[in-house]
Amino acid sequence: GNSVTQMEGPVTLSEEAFLTINCTYTATGYPSLFWYVQYPGEGLQLLLKATKADDKGSNKGFEATYRKETTSFHLEKGSVQVSDSAVYFCALRRSGNTPLVFGKGTRLSVIA
Amino acid sequence: DVKVTQSSRYLVKRTGEKVFLECVQDMDHENMFWYRQDPGLGLRLIYFSYDVKMKEKGDIPEGYSVSREKKERFSLILESASTNQTSMYLCASSNTLVGRSSKTQYFGPGTRLLVL
Repeated sequence: GNSVTQMEGPVTLSEEAFLTINCTYTATGYPSLFWYVQYPGEGLQLLLKATKADDKGSNKGFEATYRKETTSFHLEKGSVQVSDSAVYFCALRRSGNTPLVFGKGTRLSVIA
Repeated sequence: DVKVTQSSRYLVKRTGEKVFLECVQDMDHENMFWYRQDPGLGLRLIYFSYDVKMKEKGDIPEGYSVSREKKERFSLILESASTNQTSMYLCASSNTLVGRSSKTQYFGPGTRLLVL
């Protein structure tokens, strides 16, 4: 079946540190891949997405590249800020109208 | 601006009560979804709907039902609430996909339900 595995948190970083949150997936066909972010007390917001192999999604300084050969979609940011503290979810959608399949989420805490 | 709203941010109910969680979207989206979010388990799909009066079971439908009488509204119903249904409930909506174009799922702010 389809599934998403992301690194367990919590992840604690100092401000301006480099961030990587690993995400790998299992899926049939050619899924689209997403990163969602959930700030404290809020619902999920789309952070970035990629719809085909080698696509790079980017937003707010975050990037992720769709790697079909390694079935991965790792999230990176060169210099994190305190305001990036949130829970990050990796997700996939198979082609068609199928619902998103989410990873379990990774909590990031950035300290000044 | 895109908007998905949920009727309550916080709700406290007693075991055995019937509970209604309402979700409304103003984007004319065909697809709507209900998830629950629990620590260490991430988001799990309860039910979804591709159109008015249509519904599909997700991964954990037991103990829940849904209603989609109008395109903009998708209700989640707990027929007889139990303590293991204490959770954060998230509603989402999206457009019908066209070709291989992948449309974004938009989420509401969530309803935190406590069942005593």
